[in-house]
Amino acid sequence: AQSVTQLDSQVPVFEEAPVELRCNYSSSVSVYLFWYVQYPNQGLQLLLKYLSGSTLVKGINGFEAEFNKSQTSFHLRKPSVHISDTAEYFCAVGAFNKFYFGSGTKLNVKP
Amino acid sequence: GAGVSQSPSNKVTEKGKDVELRCDPISGHTALYWYRQSLGQGLEFLIYFQGNSAPDKSGLPSDRFSAERTGGSVSTLTIQRTQQEDSAVYLCASSLASTGSSYEQYFGPGTRLTVT
Repeated sequence: AQSVTQLDSQVPVFEEAPVELRCNYSSSVSVYLFWYVQYPNQGLQLLLKYLSGSTLVKGINGFEAEFNKSQTSFHLRKPSVHISDTAEYFCAVGAFNKFYFGSGTKLNVKP
Repeated sequence: GAGVSQSPSNKVTEKGKDVELRCDPISGHTALYWYRQSLGQGLEFLIYFQGNSAPDKSGLPSDRFSAERTGGSVSTLTIQRTQQEDSAVYLCASSLASTGSSYEQYFGPGTRLTVT
């Protein structure tokens, strides 16, 4: 079975500071990896995905994530955050037509 | 184009009543998923439909939960004899395919279910 751990339930950060949201997964098979974002009062939307190839994946809004197979991690990073990045971020793994989501990390960007 | 739509957006029901939640996927998407998002929790997989294949029901929490997908398009999630622990946001997602480069889900806005 697959599982996803997002250790940080909340991450406060000041505007223009860098941020890293951590995601670790457990799986005995190859998986696809995703980050989704949920802005306040909106549905989930895909931020970026890793299916294969380059382990550094770039997504929308300046976010990127790096797949590290040996550490079973897929951490999300942004070098300089904006107020508008305030949202909840979910890491997910996909395998055999199923997706497993982490419990989410709330990013709170302060002015 | 139109995204995934769900109805109703909010539903308040009394304990013991049955409820039906509807999902209209993006036209042409063959894969459809239902999830449950409880307060402070991640998304919990419930059920998965792919084309005309038998659905994967392995995530349904009890036999009070059932879902169907008519004509490979609209799906209905039914919860019978609702309990307070069923209160959550129920999310539907659709995908063009379940493998390869189209392995991307598009989510609906969800139905917030409150059982009193």
